[in-house]
Amino acid sequence: DSGVTQTPKHLITATGQRVTLRCSPRSGDLSVYWYQQSLDQGLQFLIQYYNGEERAKGNILERFSAQQFPDLHSELNLSSLELGDSALYFCASSPGMGLVNDEQFFGPGTRLTVL
Amino acid sequence: AQRVTQPEKLLSVFKGAPVELKCNYSYSGSPELFWYVQYSRQRLQLLLRHISRESIKGFTADLNKGETSFHLKKPFAQEEDSAMYYCALSGLTQGGSEKLVFGKGTKLTVNP
Repeated sequence: DSGVTQTPKHLITATGQRVTLRCSPRSGDLSVYWYQQSLDQGLQFLIQYYNGEERAKGNILERFSAQQFPDLHSELNLSSLELGDSALYFCASSPGMGLVNDEQFFGPGTRLTVL
Repeated sequence: AQRVTQPEKLLSVFKGAPVELKCNYSYSGSPELFWYVQYSRQRLQLLLRHISRESIKGFTADLNKGETSFHLKKPFAQEEDSAMYYCALSGLTQGGSEKLVFGKGTKLTVNP
């Protein structure tokens, strides 16, 4: 699959725990975006990395952090998990850094359940 | 405030009927608007963007700045159009960078 990949598909954990979600962008894409989709908030932008550097920050909690590695894959770390963190987490990638002329390609998502 | 409102959570039409998915936005500048679609068991994907002024799969969307709307229309719905549709705008983060702001989506069902 040459598209955006995300692992794991599903993750079940307990409150207070820490998890890491992984995303591999499409070949050649330099930007990675993370989104959280919950029933009440909808799809919310968390953070964007471009070529290893943080480019844009959205509604990301301080308990959450992300990074993009030299091979351009990205990880989203969620710590001190709360019940309300249960959501679908999407990763997207794009060739450049902008939005208007740069299409984002989405991954299948990781479903996180916090019990 | 940057906000995208899709007033209909669910929309059901019959095959061959016209369909219009409503999207209203709130944005202080000149927004770029997009429609994304997610078919069953598939990924979220870009359907169209207003800057391209193109028709994709028979769908069109016109930006109406006076009404702050970007409704998605198709004259004759097909069963394969059944999907979740999200309207989005290119907004700004607190740091001044671009970000996509999504509506909560409308689930379209086209009945045979």
